[in-house]
Amino acid sequence: KAGVTQTPRYLIKTRGQQVTLSCSPISGHRSVSWYQQTPGQGLQFLFEYFSETQRNKGNFPGRFSGRQFSNSRSEMNVSTLELGDSALYLCASSLGAGGNNEQFFGPGTRLTVL
Amino acid sequence: AQTVTQSQPEMSVQEAETVTLSCTYDTSESDYYLFWYKQPPSRQMILVIRQEAYKQQNATENRFSVNFQKAAKSFSLKISDSQLGDAAMYFCAYALRDDKIIFGKGTRLHILP
Repeated sequence: KAGVTQTPRYLIKTRGQQVTLSCSPISGHRSVSWYQQTPGQGLQFLFEYFSETQRNKGNFPGRFSGRQFSNSRSEMNVSTLELGDSALYLCASSLGAGGNNEQFFGPGTRLTVL
Repeated sequence: AQTVTQSQPEMSVQEAETVTLSCTYDTSESDYYLFWYKQPPSRQMILVIRQEAYKQQNATENRFSVNFQKAAKSFSLKISDSQLGDAAMYFCAYALRDDKIIFGKGTRLHILP
C-alpha cells in the first residue's frame, strides 16, 4: 500500500498570503489529522477529519482551516500568513477516528513565511 | 488539561547499550492510551509502541519496551541493544478514545558508534 503523501513538500510564502496544503491518506483510511511541528512548541494538533466531518480541533486561530473530501483526501488552508506560521506541517491518517488509533504520518510540508 | 512532559531534550547512548527515555503525563482520566513515536532525521514519523492504560502488562516490541507506572503517571521507553538506526527524535504521546493526541516536546536520541 502506498503511504501518506503530502504536497507540496516545500513552500515559501510572504506575510499576508494564504496557502493550501494537501494530504492523501493511505487507501482505506478515513481519518486524517493535521499537526504543526516547530522547534519551540514541538508537535501540536491542528484538527482531525473523519468521513468529511471535523471531529476534533486544537487551539489554533480561525486562520487555520481544513476540509476532507469524499475520497478522504484532505486539505489544510492558512490565511493571512504570519511569520510564526513557519513550520513543518504533518498530516497523518488512521483507520479509525481519534488519536488512540495508530497514526501513519506523511513526510510533511515545510512552510517558510518571509 | 492533559499534558505530556519529556524532561530529557537530548540523550546519547553507545551502540549496543541500553537507554531509557522518560515521559510523565498528567490526566484525571482512567482509560487512555499512551504512545511512543519515532521521527528519524528526514524520514517519516512512525509508531514505536502503544500502551492501553487499562492493561497492566507493559507493552513490548522487539528491542523496545515500556515501563508503565499508572499511579505515578510515568511511561518510559527502554531501548535495548541500541543500533545506529535508532537515532531519532522520540515523542511520547497521550490520547483519550476518539479524542485528539497530545505529544510531548520530544527527546533527541544520539547513538554513538
